Parts: sequence; structure tokens; C-alpha cells
Amino acid sequence: SAVISQKPSRDICQRGTSLTIQCQVDSQVTMMFWYRQQPGQSLTLIATANQGSEATYESGFVIDKFPISRPNLTFSTLTVSNMSPEDSSIYLCSVDGTGDTKNIQYFGAGTRLSVL
Amino acid sequence: SQKIEQNSEALNIQEGKTATLTCNYTNYSPAYLQWYRQDPGRGPVFLLLIRENEKEKRKERLKVTFDTTLKQSLFHITASQPADSATYLCALVEPGGFKTIFGAGTRLFVKA
Repeated sequence: SAVISQKPSRDICQRGTSLTIQCQVDSQVTMMFWYRQQPGQSLTLIATANQGSEATYESGFVIDKFPISRPNLTFSTLTVSNMSPEDSSIYLCSVDGTGDTKNIQYFGAGTRLSVL
Repeated sequence: SQKIEQNSEALNIQEGKTATLTCNYTNYSPAYLQWYRQDPGRGPVFLLLIRENEKEKRKERLKVTFDTTLKQSLFHITASQPADSATYLCALVEPGGFKTIFGAGTRLFVKA
């Protein structure tokens, strides 16, 4: 299994500002995933972050809006840039398990973002 | 593209009864299918995984079935308890195993 610490747990931000969300894993992992979960909706994958390379973004998400860093095998950040009220959502990071649990995803508790 | 449909209406059942949640998908059969539990303010937590060539999987009070002909999975909680109240997410892992697609989840309320 993997234990993921995500912070902040919640924030209220003003329109036009940026917020950086941190995700720390208790073991080294190859890929880290960033999701967005809007109220009553499914988790939507924003991007996959690999250490040492550019993140891979899903359709509808761009690096200028959601820059991602992955400086080492246990840490990643997601920045929500130039925020608008439409960015209000829960943001989650996750990792795949390894070995017997490689097909399972482990999630952080999420960051609840409200943009005014 | 692949879509997952879960009942958006909450399921309300009495303690001790069996809860059955449905997950339907639209296109190709996934490599495998997973069920997660999500409590308010928390990230999803893995419960069960079932592979394409498996019909049924059990874990304690939980049972998952997978019908590739119907493109459907059923998730059962037997002898349900109020502590089982949560949102349950169905997730498909695409062939190749690199991408997971989640359903919106079904909210379960178990009344004492």
C-alpha cells in the first residue's frame, strides 16, 4: 500500500490568483496522477506526472493552467493558475500500488478548493 | 470513448439488508474493473478488483460480479450496516493498464 499526504486540505482563493497543491508519498513511485472531482461528478484525470519528464495532460487540460512539478520519486505539486470560480473543485493526487497491489490506486485525502 | 454509468440516485436501505449497486460501461471490455469507497472529505479507498475473465469476487461481506456480455458489474454488500454508508465508485482500467476511468459513484445510505 501507499500513504499519501496532500496539502492544503482546503482553501478559499480569490479569482485570478494561483494555488499550489502538494502531494507526498511514503514510498518511491514512478507515476503520480492528478485528478479533479467536481460535486456529484466522477474523478477526471488532469495529468500523469513522471519523474524527470514533462507531465502528460489529458484532453481539456493544459500545462499553462495546471503546471505540474515532479522533482523526485516521492513528491509532486499541481498548481491551479489564474483561478476562476469554475476551478472550484476537489483536487486529488494518487499513485499506483506496486507488486501485488500494482493494479490499485491509492489516493490522498484531496484538496477542496473554493474560488470566489 | 469509454463511459461509465452508475445510478446517480442515492440508494437507501435498511440495516441488515443487501445493498446492490450497478455499474454499466459503454464500449470495449476493460482489462479489469474496480470498486472504491469514498467518504465525505476523503479520497477514494480501494475495495475490490475483478478481471475480465472472472465472473465473481468476494471479500468478507462484499461481492462483485462482472458480466462482459451485459457490460455490467454489480457490487453487493450483504448484512449492511450504517457504517457502510458512503459513495461507491466503479472504475475501469483500460487495456494496457495505464489509464483508469471512474464513474460518478452511487451514494448509499444504510438506516439503523
